Amino acid sequence: NAGVTQTPKFQVLKTGQSMTLQCAQDMNHEYMSWYRQDPGMGLRLIHYSVGAGITDQGEVPNGYNVSRSTTEDFPLRLLSAAPSQTSVYFCASRTSGGDGGEQFFGPGTRLTVL
Amino acid sequence: GEDVEQSLFLSVREGDSSVINCTYTDSSSTYLYWYKQEPGAGLQLLTYIFSNMDMKQDQRLTVLLNKKDKHLSLRIADTQTGDSAIYFCAETDYYGGSQGNLIFGKGTKLSVKP
Repeated sequence: NAGVTQTPKFQVLKTGQSMTLQCAQDMNHEYMSWYRQDPGMGLRLIHYSVGAGITDQGEVPNGYNVSRSTTEDFPLRLLSAAPSQTSVYFCASRTSGGDGGEQFFGPGTRLTVL
Repeated sequence: GEDVEQSLFLSVREGDSSVINCTYTDSSSTYLYWYKQEPGAGLQLLTYIFSNMDMKQDQRLTVLLNKKDKHLSLRIADTQTGDSAIYFCAETDYYGGSQGNLIFGKGTKLSVKP
């Protein structure tokens, strides 16, 4: 099992550009989520999905879109990048069913918006 | 809303015990978690405790839960330089119909001096 994989590892964008951060998991997990990590802020939830075709907003969803067409993939789209979106982005997955169980994290994508 | 609070820094000498503290607000959390993040890496689940437990021990790690005070602690015995990392406390968010998303504290940076 590869676990949770994320691409790219690093990315530099100019303000206004768009891009998609890729996330895939091979554990057949129903629940997937995206977090951003900023210095001194911990991890904040952007969007999450409890299964294919179902997505919902987290704490900081503005400026980001997601879709979930398959169980394995959960891409995060930045439609028009802004410097405030400079951050480290983590994708995570776990089995569904509410509480409990281990949430597996990807290695992260470090994004800089100039 | 839910909140998780941690002190930001802790410095100990190699061989000493480290105690990282956390307070949380959601009394309905069934599980509480400790994650470790090494520099440049994703988050790794260290341990978790079920809310009907007071203590859980796993090799050098001891988790204490005071549910009345909503206080969680992680003790690392015989701290080694390899334990230097950021440690995140997390609880499960059940308000507003969310699907058990994790809410993270800002993280405690543990520095171990030789």
